[in-house]
Amino acid sequence: DTEVTQTPKHLVMGMTNKKSLKCEQHMGHRAMYWYKQKAKKPPELMFVYSYEKLSINESVPSRFSPECPNSSLLNLHLHALQPEDSALYLCASSQEVTLVSAGELFFGEGSRLTVL
Amino acid sequence: AQKVTQAQTEISVVEKEDVTLDCVYETRDTTYYLFWYKQPPSGELVFLIRRNSFDEQNEISGRYSWNFQKSTSSFNFTITASQVVDSAVYFCALSENNDMRFGAGTRLTVKP
Repeated sequence: DTEVTQTPKHLVMGMTNKKSLKCEQHMGHRAMYWYKQKAKKPPELMFVYSYEKLSINESVPSRFSPECPNSSLLNLHLHALQPEDSALYLCASSQEVTLVSAGELFFGEGSRLTVL
Repeated sequence: AQKVTQAQTEISVVEKEDVTLDCVYETRDTTYYLFWYKQPPSGELVFLIRRNSFDEQNEISGRYSWNFQKSTSSFNFTITASQVVDSAVYFCALSENNDMRFGAGTRLTVKP
């Protein structure tokens, strides 16, 4: 079983809805990540949190709003999404965040989002 | 920006065959890390190996082996005596400056 837990596993929402994806890890990792993965494509980095502060935002549209309430939790708030935002959203964590490397990333199983 | 190329989109082999997945990377940094991840149908990305840019030793772990060659900027992955359970998408990734970028992935199908 993965040590990074993501909920919900599946989410269907309309373009006017507000929903949230949640991610939790209890490995004491201090860095957490959101990736977006479209079908048959590699994961694309969206956000990186290091010590509960946003350190990387890959020019993600404001309809995606990350939040890191504490070192174990990472949320992704969704509002006014478009059908093209439908994808698998992967959360990951790593023990270290140095100037060089993110270290080994531990991934959750993902939340599969469908926007109607 | 760094770049990772996995030229093989799909590979199909018969069980017990050996198979090599290619990975070529580009970076301007001298310090970086290379990774291989496996993504089974469940969706989770499973870590297989991390290698830093100063360690060119090849590594073997059971049926898996990795060949890192800085001279050709390649980090290839070989599965010996493949099994049906090896069927998955395999991603090579490059990490530098807190930024991990993935290759396009290679879909491996191992047929019984």
